[in-house]
Amino acid sequence: EDQVTQSPEALRLQEGESSSLNCSYTVSGLRGLFWYRQDPGKGPEFLFTLYSAGEEKEKERLKATLTKKESFLHITAPKPEDSATYLCAVQAGSSNTGKLIFGQGTTLQVKP
Amino acid sequence: EPEVTQTPSHQVTQMGQEVILRCVPISNHLYFYWYRQILGQKVEFLVSFYNNEISEKSEIFDDQFSVERPDGSNFTLKIRSTKLEDSAMYFCASSLMSDEQFFGPGTRLTVL
Repeated sequence: EDQVTQSPEALRLQEGESSSLNCSYTVSGLRGLFWYRQDPGKGPEFLFTLYSAGEEKEKERLKATLTKKESFLHITAPKPEDSATYLCAVQAGSSNTGKLIFGQGTTLQVKP
Repeated sequence: EPEVTQTPSHQVTQMGQEVILRCVPISNHLYFYWYRQILGQKVEFLVSFYNNEISEKSEIFDDQFSVERPDGSNFTLKIRSTKLEDSAMYFCASSLMSDEQFFGPGTRLTVL
């Protein structure tokens, strides 16, 4: 069964304190791995797509990396506005319809 | 910047009533999706729609659910006879190809 597990469930950081979020996946052939940001009561906001092991993408203070079993979202010198829930999702090779399988998310709180 | 829009933002209904949730996807996108998120739980795939037909649906998407693209801009999700357990946030998403999906702000459905 295709599955996505994120850790930790919650993370509290001080402003400027760098850290990483983990997304482990089990999928029958990975078509793509996606990171989204979700603010309370809002829809997921697209951040990155990764397609193959070794690939990296960066956007401002965020950097996403991918291996054959997991992905990391590295947050460098976070600011309070980075506080949100970060969702990881995968597309399995068995589905060519775009179906996303989500993890439960990591809720990040950055304190000033 | 183009975005996915959804109406209403909040829908309250009585158990057994029919509801229609509406979405306007990004105009040049070809793939359309509905997801739901029960409070405190993962985002779950419901259905994908391409070329005017359902391309994949989950076990959740039973005979009580239907989707339609009645014109060139709208994409709707109908629940025929709502149940208490249908209470959730419903997200519409669209993508140009079956890859990066862009989500709407969601409709909060409350079934009493």
